[in-house]
Amino acid sequence: NAGVTQTPKFQVLKTGQSMTLQCAQDMNHNSMYWYRQDPGMGLRLIYYSASEGTTDKGEVPNGYNVSRLNKREFSLRLESAAPSQTSVYFCASSETGLGGYTFGSGTRLTVV
Amino acid sequence: SQQGEEDPQALSIQEGENATMNCSYKTSINNLQWYRQNSGRGLVHLILIRSNEREKHSGRLRVTLDTSKKSSSLLITASRAADTASYFCATVYSGAGSYQLTFGKGTKLSVIP
Repeated sequence: NAGVTQTPKFQVLKTGQSMTLQCAQDMNHNSMYWYRQDPGMGLRLIYYSASEGTTDKGEVPNGYNVSRLNKREFSLRLESAAPSQTSVYFCASSETGLGGYTFGSGTRLTVV
Repeated sequence: SQQGEEDPQALSIQEGENATMNCSYKTSINNLQWYRQNSGRGLVHLILIRSNEREKHSGRLRVTLDTSKKSSSLLITASRAADTASYFCATVYSGAGSYQLTFGKGTKLSVIP
């Protein structure tokens, strides 16, 4: 059981570069989420997709875009990376959003 | 803004002792969940308690929920060195059209062998 798979695990970007973080789940979950984790801040929700074909903003969406490619995959795009986007990014999925969430192992992103 | 706030921010105990972490939240909830995060790893779901439940057990874990005080506690009994991790409470709002989990800032637990 792979659960939630995130790629890449590590990335260094220069300011202004773009990149896409990939996330895939194999549990047939309906809901998927992107969080960022900064020291001392806990996890903050960037975007989520309650079901295939829908996406909504979370608490900190500025500078990001998402695509729910199909039921399995939910990608996060940084169009023009900024140092403030240096963080650890976690993808998660849940059957409905009400139950427990399954998290990926994270992507550690540094923007220089 | 963060929904939950854990207390204490850091806790250090001896192996075999009990560890208690508290969480307060701001709005009405559908349920409250606790997660563990080992250093450099993803979060792992530990236990979920619904808003109409007051106490729940899972192995060495005991969770209580007081909706009148908007607070919860997580008790880990007979702690082990392997319990060393950060623990987060997270809430699901009630009444929303769709559901998201909102996290607190976490309690860092160190269990000394």
